[in-house]
Amino acid sequence: KAGVTQTPRYLIKTRGQQVTLSCSPISGHRSVSWYQQTPGQGLQFLFEYFSETQRNKGNFPGRFSGRQFSNSRSEMNVSTLELGDSALYLCASRFNTEAFFGQGTRLTVV
Amino acid sequence: GENVEQHPSTLSVQEGDSAVIKCTYSDSASNYFPWYKQELGKRPQLIIDIRSNVGEKKDQRIAVTLNKTAKHFSLHITETQPEDSAVYFCAASFNYGQNFVFGPGTRLSVLP
Repeated sequence: KAGVTQTPRYLIKTRGQQVTLSCSPISGHRSVSWYQQTPGQGLQFLFEYFSETQRNKGNFPGRFSGRQFSNSRSEMNVSTLELGDSALYLCASRFNTEAFFGQGTRLTVV
Repeated sequence: GENVEQHPSTLSVQEGDSAVIKCTYSDSASNYFPWYKQELGKRPQLIIDIRSNVGEKKDQRIAVTLNKTAKHFSLHITETQPEDSAVYFCAASFNYGQNFVFGPGTRLSVLP
């Protein structure tokens, strides 16, 4: 079984731009969650999608949004990028309790 | 909402010694507590988990204990090895896996 795949692996964007990250979950997993990982803040929960519906949301501004498609693939969008958005963005898919993480997308905002 | 604290933030032990990492959570509705290990440059991976109806769980050299009354749970690693060096994250979630809230992480260094 293929693992969780995130694309792209690396991104460099300029302040004010927007970005879309993609996450393909493990086949059969309907839950996809997104996390922001920074050295000082650890793993911060962004949101969780299940069967195309956002089920939970963390404390991030509205510039961060996401969606999930009928094949369970998920995208995360960040608009009006700020320097502080530079981080590793991880998604995780889940069937039961265990969350399986992707390799992450490292976003650098300059 | 849920808040998870984790201590210590860094921990150095000699190879062969034991390591203990402690976490506390705030929401009594949380019922699932996993521990993830993240090696440098790699993705977090589950190493052990415990549900709220269990007080202790062990898997070879690692064990987790849960005290629901005090709202804290701990990771115990015995006979540490250099390959145990990593960042360890605890987490709490409700409904057995929804909305994971992670602790800030513990950087464990096992010195040969």
